[in-house]
Amino acid sequence: EAQVTQNPRYLITVTGKKLTVTCSQNMNHEYMSWYRQDPGLGLRQIYYSMNVEVTDKGDVPEGYKVSRKEKRNFPLILESPSPNQTSLYFCASSLDTSSYQETQYFGPGTRLLVL
Amino acid sequence: AQSVSQHNHHVILSEAASLELGCNYSYGGTVNLFWYVQYPGQHLQLLLKYFSGDPLVKGIKGFEAEFIESKCSFNLRKPSVQWSDTAEYFCAVKDTDKLIFGTGTRLQVFP
Repeated sequence: EAQVTQNPRYLITVTGKKLTVTCSQNMNHEYMSWYRQDPGLGLRQIYYSMNVEVTDKGDVPEGYKVSRKEKRNFPLILESPSPNQTSLYFCASSLDTSSYQETQYFGPGTRLLVL
Repeated sequence: AQSVSQHNHHVILSEAASLELGCNYSYGGTVNLFWYVQYPGQHLQLLLKYFSGDPLVKGIKGFEAEFIESKCSFNLRKPSVQWSDTAEYFCAVKDTDKLIFGTGTRLQVFP
């Protein structure tokens, strides 16, 4: 089944404790992206990757890191989480972005609480 | 700057009522528009999308949207909602390497 998976789905942590949220897709998509969803703000892009070893900042990259060593994986890293990073995080992928008809497929989301 | 506005933040309807959710965009290039739906506890799913051609786009589950360029709008419609349509609905415009989302509209449908 074609899908985007994220782990963990729920995470409670404390300020400053490094964490990683994994994202994996099995559709051989080139493009992957991370969004955070906050009430009243919709979804905002954190980072994206056009292909392996190619990453770029989105609208709200501060406090986050990503890597793209393999095509299928795009982990989101919070080196020193803070309470303002409490949010719902979505990973998404698409075949590429050169075609404007391309649709993004979203993972199930990771709900993060930073105390 | 590119942006998407959804003015209806919370909509409450009874089953069988008609639905129209507003979406206005501000974008300088070729417009590619989407409506995504997020059912409670689930991830975003594509409802429909517009790229070119017929401005009236039909999607899944009986939803449709009309692209009106003169009004910079892409409103979502459904003639008769069901309880199972209770969800949050997001309008989005594609901007080169990302989607720009509106803030979402929460729809509650009561039996």
